[in-house]
Amino acid sequence: QKEVEQNSGPLSVPEGAIASLNCTYSDRGSQSFFWYRQYSGKSPELIMSIYSNGDKEDGRFTAQLNKASQYVSLLIRDSQPSDSATYLCAGAHRSGAGSYQLTFGKGTKLSVIP
Amino acid sequence: DTEVTQTPKHLVMGMTNKKSLKCEQHMGHRAMYWYKQKAKKPPELMFVYSYEKLSINESVPSRFSPECPNSSLLNLHLHALQPEDSALYLCASSPGTGRDERQYFGPGTRLTVT
Repeated sequence: QKEVEQNSGPLSVPEGAIASLNCTYSDRGSQSFFWYRQYSGKSPELIMSIYSNGDKEDGRFTAQLNKASQYVSLLIRDSQPSDSATYLCAGAHRSGAGSYQLTFGKGTKLSVIP
Repeated sequence: DTEVTQTPKHLVMGMTNKKSLKCEQHMGHRAMYWYKQKAKKPPELMFVYSYEKLSINESVPSRFSPECPNSSLLNLHLHALQPEDSALYLCASSPGTGRDERQYFGPGTRLTVT
């Protein structure tokens, strides 16, 4: 069974600190991983994708993937109150010609305290 | 431009009504998805269309009927729904090239069944 596990939180960090969000996955067939940010009452917004082992940086966000440990993480530097949201980790596996099925974790709620 | 649009934003319907949700993307994506999301839960996959063909139906009750009229449009026809079907219905799309699995979500339709 394909599972993605996340700590549901809430995770509270002070403004300006680094927020560290983690997830683990069970399906070694998942090759690609994504982080979505979801504000309350809104739809998920893709903020990072990572396909290979190592780090990928985009602005204040760094995604890390370790396929041997089946571990994905998201670091948010210089956290801002506007980063307060639920962060969803998702793994992708092929579901048909050109389409991929995402398995989502339950999400981690992040609160950045001013 | 990574925009997926959905109409209507909100929908209230009785259990005997028939209504449709609409989704549109103009990114040239060939894979489109319907998800259902209940409060404080991650999105649950309902249907996947790949190159206008239904490739996945995740054991969704027949009161939900998807349709893909062309590569840009996706509909979800609703009939005889139950109150427990009240949720946020999300449409997403991805390139469908087999090389890029990033899924982009629309803003969702908030459905209330009375």
